[in-house]
Amino acid sequence: DAGVIQSPRHEVTEMGQEVTLRCKPISGHNSLFWYRQTMMRGLELLIYFNNNVPIDDSGMPEDRFSAKMPNASFSTLKIQPSEPRDSAVYFCASSLRPLTNRGDHYGYTFGSGTRLTVV
Amino acid sequence: QKEVEQNSGPLSVPEGAIASLNCTYSDRGSQSFFWYRQYSGKSPELIMSIYSNGDKEDGRFTAQLNKASQYVSLLIRDSQPSDSATYLCAVRVTGFQKLVFGTGTRLLVSP
Repeated sequence: DAGVIQSPRHEVTEMGQEVTLRCKPISGHNSLFWYRQTMMRGLELLIYFNNNVPIDDSGMPEDRFSAKMPNASFSTLKIQPSEPRDSAVYFCASSLRPLTNRGDHYGYTFGSGTRLTVV
Repeated sequence: QKEVEQNSGPLSVPEGAIASLNCTYSDRGSQSFFWYRQYSGKSPELIMSIYSNGDKEDGRFTAQLNKASQYVSLLIRDSQPSDSATYLCAVRVTGFQKLVFGTGTRLLVSP
């Protein structure tokens, strides 16, 4: 199993440019999550999908951020226009959706992350 | 109040000692709890999950859950320098699938 695959690993861009981050979840996983990690705020959930449908995007900072999942094997997170405060490590994670809400032990598998620097 | 709270550390222990990492959470209805390890510059890696009160052991790791006190802990026995990392506590929010993470505790194991 190749795991969760993210690209690019590193991205340096100028303020105002469009940035697109990509993610391929583990085959068979039906839930996908985008997180952002900074020293100050830790890991923050931006958005997650179940069966390619966005379920909760309350963590998306503002309209400059958008995410899509056109099929079960691919998702993108786009920032347009980018700003220096968007500099962070962006992680994609996937998991199996739990059968019930009573509790389960399905954790996430994280990708290697994309380190974004906006100058 | 943050949803998941951890002491940022660093927690320093000598090699061979027991490291105890603690986490508290605010959502009383939370039912699933996870510990992740993150090495510097790497992605979080799942090491333990627990969803029943009591202890769960896996090798040198023991997760402890006390829902009445809203407290989760991770014990690492016979700590090794390779255990030096940041340990993230995560809680599955009631009724949702998303995990809420604490900011992590940095563990340093000295030879």
